[in-house]
Amino acid sequence: GAVVSQHPSWVICKSGTSVKIECRSLDFQATTMFWYRQFPKQSLMLMATSNEGSKATYEQGVEKDKFLINHASLTLSTLTVTSAHPEDSSFYICSASWQSYEQYFGPGTRLTVT
Amino acid sequence: LAKTTQPISMDSYEGQEVNITCSHNNIATNDYITWYQQFPSQGPRFIIQGYKTKVTNEVASLFIPADRKSSTLSLPRVSLSDTAVYYCLVVRDDKIIFGKGTRLHILP
Repeated sequence: GAVVSQHPSWVICKSGTSVKIECRSLDFQATTMFWYRQFPKQSLMLMATSNEGSKATYEQGVEKDKFLINHASLTLSTLTVTSAHPEDSSFYICSASWQSYEQYFGPGTRLTVT
Repeated sequence: LAKTTQPISMDSYEGQEVNITCSHNNIATNDYITWYQQFPSQGPRFIIQGYKTKVTNEVASLFIPADRKSSTLSLPRVSLSDTAVYYCLVVRDDKIIFGKGTRLHILP
């Protein structure tokens, strides 16, 4: 299947700083990318959907000014957690799809805010 | 999107066939049914997808009755490495909403 990568795989940052997470589709062009968040022992929660060249669509309850999503090209989407706080510590997962019902998921990024 | 309901957890033994059933009573005509597997601290991995009747690939089979209000994922001859969380999802227009999943524990 198609490969999606995320960078970094884990990151530790101090409270109040911003962190950027990259999601790349390595062998296909992703028309749509998705960002999820997962807390321990819980399911994935969809945060936002982004289409290349347009603004992301955020799910209800997700602060768009805090979680900035940029989908600049068909192979790259970034999630920036601004002014991070300890409660933002979580496992962030992206996925990508191309005109199909199958989403290819990245390996995830573990964010710890101290 | 149609809500899915599946058992919270299941135990089975190595070499057994495991069937996980999911209900999706409000599935719409254009929705597909997809199953994903997730190991701890990893992204979900696609297992199988179907619309109706039966679909089989190299790792699993998916059974969907005519009314499509439920589906059953069948894993033949499981091994310890199949211990994971399995998510049943209804996909509409590329959008996926994850339910709680089934935590499958394979015993030796």
